[in-house]
Amino acid sequence: ETGVTQTPRHLVMGMTNKKSLKCEQHLGHNAMYWYKQSAKKPLELMFVYNFKEQTENNSVPSRFSPECPNSSHLFLHLHTLQPEDSALYLCASSHGTSGEETQYFGPGTRLLVL
Amino acid sequence: AQTVTQSQPEMSVQEAETVTLSCTYDTSESDYYLFWYKQPPSRQMILVIRQEAYKQQNATENRFSVNFQKAAKSFSLKISDSQLGDAAMYFCAYQDLDGTASKLTFGTGTRLQVTL
Repeated sequence: ETGVTQTPRHLVMGMTNKKSLKCEQHLGHNAMYWYKQSAKKPLELMFVYNFKEQTENNSVPSRFSPECPNSSHLFLHLHTLQPEDSALYLCASSHGTSGEETQYFGPGTRLLVL
Repeated sequence: AQTVTQSQPEMSVQEAETVTLSCTYDTSESDYYLFWYKQPPSRQMILVIRQEAYKQQNATENRFSVNFQKAAKSFSLKISDSQLGDAAMYFCAYQDLDGTASKLTFGTGTRLQVTL
């Protein structure tokens, strides 16, 4: 356990559904991240939040909508997804967002879009 | 843009033996951080080891050590006395010392099998 939890661990949804992924960190960190991990591809950074403020959006389609109500919680709201969005979605946290920080990851949510 | 290359999609090692996983990266920066992360079948990405580019001494963490060759932009991971629990995907990652955002650039990973 790294102190970062994610729910649900598995999710199957249709293209017209709306669902949300949740991430919670118990490390007292101030920065949180969403990554997408697809087969045979490197992890892709999606969003970065620092002190609840979004500091990075890596050209992510608007069908992915992040929310960070406080430094401990991060959500990824999903709507009208495409089959190519099926992937492992990883959340991470770090103390800050400087280049010296180490990111700690959650176990991920395996998403399948039908 | 920085890139990280892991040229070994799969590696195999016998229990108690030593294995080295390769990683090369491309950057024009002089200061940065390098990481090895392990992702077992449980999918939890776990930090294995971290190296600061300004440090000449190679990082070590118990059975895990790195061979950091800055001029060659090479960052290999050596696992000594391999154990069954070491079986996992191993990802090499690079991070700039950019103060505006902490961005990890990952390689595509190396799947390590540990056999009896």
